[in-house]
Amino acid sequence: DVVMTQSPLSLPVTLGQPASISCKSSQTLVHSDGNTYLNWFQQRPGQSPRRLIYKVSNRDSGVPDRFSGSGSGTDFTLKISRVEAEDVGIYYCRRSSYPYTFGQGTKLEIK
Amino acid sequence: EVQLVESGGGLVQPGGSLRLSCAASGFTINNYWMMWVRQPPGKGLEWVANTNEDGRSKYYVDSVKGRFTISRDNAENALYLQMNNLRVEDTAVYYCAEKEGAVWGQGTTVTVSS
Repeated sequence: DVVMTQSPLSLPVTLGQPASISCKSSQTLVHSDGNTYLNWFQQRPGQSPRRLIYKVSNRDSGVPDRFSGSGSGTDFTLKISRVEAEDVGIYYCRRSSYPYTFGQGTKLEIK
Repeated sequence: EVQLVESGGGLVQPGGSLRLSCAASGFTINNYWMMWVRQPPGKGLEWVANTNEDGRSKYYVDSVKGRFTISRDNAENALYLQMNNLRVEDTAVYYCAEKEGAVWGQGTTVTVSS
């Protein structure tokens, strides 16, 4: 089984401070086409998930530039440069190749 | 506006069946792989199934293989999930989405209970 391990699982952050979430895969996410297929999603309370980042570091349209993704191979990171109140929610990483596993989720809350 | 709208959820007894539907508007699904993702109450997201653009390639999470079938009708711009032999542990909100997660529906709730 391919396992996606996120840390921390709970992330209390003071408004205006940075936040960082790690995602580690048990297998390399480098595809045979040379791309690395790792996406990040945000799920605000009571809402459907929303994609923030695709292929490691590409921000979706409308996503604030305080969100950034980085990493390679098996280790990836989502960073928020300055946390705002609207960032509260659960963040998931997910591999975009079979078996399309999600990480366990990281719950971000305001301290 | 790009939109996915799921329907077909409800309460069903263990061993029963349900068919979920997902209607797309504002975009044409025949250009995209599509997927179903579920979220049990209070838990995280779990990918359930994918299908490619013409519906000939299908992939499933191990826990639903042999019980669930993903299908699509590109002419109707719709995605489906036939769920048979349902178990209590299949209780979840079921979302349809474009495979890379760029577009999601609002979800439909499936409750399996006696």
